[in-house]
Amino acid sequence: AQTVTQSQPEMSVQEAETVTLSCTYDTSESDYYLFWYKQPPSRQMILVIRQEAYKQQNATENRFSVNFQKAAKSFSLKISDSQLGDAAMYFCAYIANNNDMRFGAGTRLTVKP
Amino acid sequence: EPEVTQTPSHQVTQMGQEVILRCVPISNHLYFYWYRQILGQKVEFLVSFYNNEISEKSEIFDDQFSVERPDGSNFTLKIRSTKLEDSAMYFCASSEAPPPYGYTFGSGTRLTVV
Repeated sequence: AQTVTQSQPEMSVQEAETVTLSCTYDTSESDYYLFWYKQPPSRQMILVIRQEAYKQQNATENRFSVNFQKAAKSFSLKISDSQLGDAAMYFCAYIANNNDMRFGAGTRLTVKP
Repeated sequence: EPEVTQTPSHQVTQMGQEVILRCVPISNHLYFYWYRQILGQKVEFLVSFYNNEISEKSEIFDDQFSVERPDGSNFTLKIRSTKLEDSAMYFCASSEAPPPYGYTFGSGTRLTVV
């Protein structure tokens, strides 16, 4: 079964500091994509970053970067220079060669001023 | 940047009523999806749609649900006889390529069944 696990229900970070959100997944597929989505209180799902499994290089989008460890099936999100607007639920997600994107349970990130 | 647009943003309906949730996917996208998120729970796959037919559906997507692309631009989700447990955030998504390519989500429709 393809599952996504986020072991941190809640995390907090001081403004301007760095925080890392964890995600692990279970799959037997070799070709898949991994995602981090941000869900603010408005509950919109906003794509933060995407990683293709065949790429060894970790994806980076401005202050957001991932640590993709394919052998360990780990996909953590690092947020640098945290801002108040980063406060949200963050969901890790996985999709392989079917239509069913699997989501983790989410991590609620609080940013302290 | 192109967006997936969903309307309405919030809908309240009485139990047993039919409801139609509307989505306008990104114009050059060919693959369409509905997901839902019950408050406090995971985002769950409902259905995928390609080439004017359902390509995959989950166990949640029972006979009460249907999808349609009536006019080449809109993509709708119909719930025939709503139940209290259908209350959730419903997300439409679209993609220009098949899985495992990711997709763009709309901003969601909050459905409240009373």
